[in-house]
Amino acid sequence: DAGVTQSPTHLIKTRGQQVTLRCSPKSGHDTVSWYQQALGQGPQFIFQYYEEEERQRGNFPDRFSGHQFPNYSSELNVNALLLGDSALYLCASSRRPVYEQYFGPGTRLTVT
Amino acid sequence: DAKTTQPPSMDCAEGRAANLPCNHSTISGNEYVYWYRQIHSQGPQYIIHGLKNNETNEMASLIITEDRKSSTLILPHATLRDTAVYYCIVRVASGGSNYKLTFGKGTLLTVNP
Repeated sequence: DAGVTQSPTHLIKTRGQQVTLRCSPKSGHDTVSWYQQALGQGPQFIFQYYEEEERQRGNFPDRFSGHQFPNYSSELNVNALLLGDSALYLCASSRRPVYEQYFGPGTRLTVT
Repeated sequence: DAKTTQPPSMDCAEGRAANLPCNHSTISGNEYVYWYRQIHSQGPQYIIHGLKNNETNEMASLIITEDRKSSTLILPHATLRDTAVYYCIVRVASGGSNYKLTFGKGTLLTVNP
């Protein structure tokens, strides 16, 4: 049974560029959440997708957007990258209506 | 979601029990206590959750006080691989519209040889 997978593992981008991160949920899960984790901090909730719609959003600007596909996989897009966007981006999946979430290994984004 | 308070760090000797406390004095009746851990540079890993009865699984035990204002995660025989940041989170288990997990700074548990 495959767990949550994320790609790529690491990514280096330049300020002002755009980036797309990908997530495949655990088998049987239909909900995907995205979190940002800065160095030394706990993960911060970005948003959650269910039935291909954004259901809840944290305190992140519109530069952060997402998408969920019919197979439940998801993408996180960040436009106009800032140095402060450098972080570990985590994807978590769950199955409604239960909130127990399973996390992927994360994508380490470095903005230079 | 109720706020939690955890010590920033703890040490434990390998092979001994690790007892990680969490205070959640404002917990509501329908909120569960969840524990996650995060080994360095990996994604958080679900450990256990409970409502009011003590819970045990293959990883750990969760002891919740009768008034539910605090809880303790117990790793019965800590190993070096248990060195991680442990997060205590309280939230409803299902239903409603607030799906996010709110992480604090957690407790860095260091297991020493």
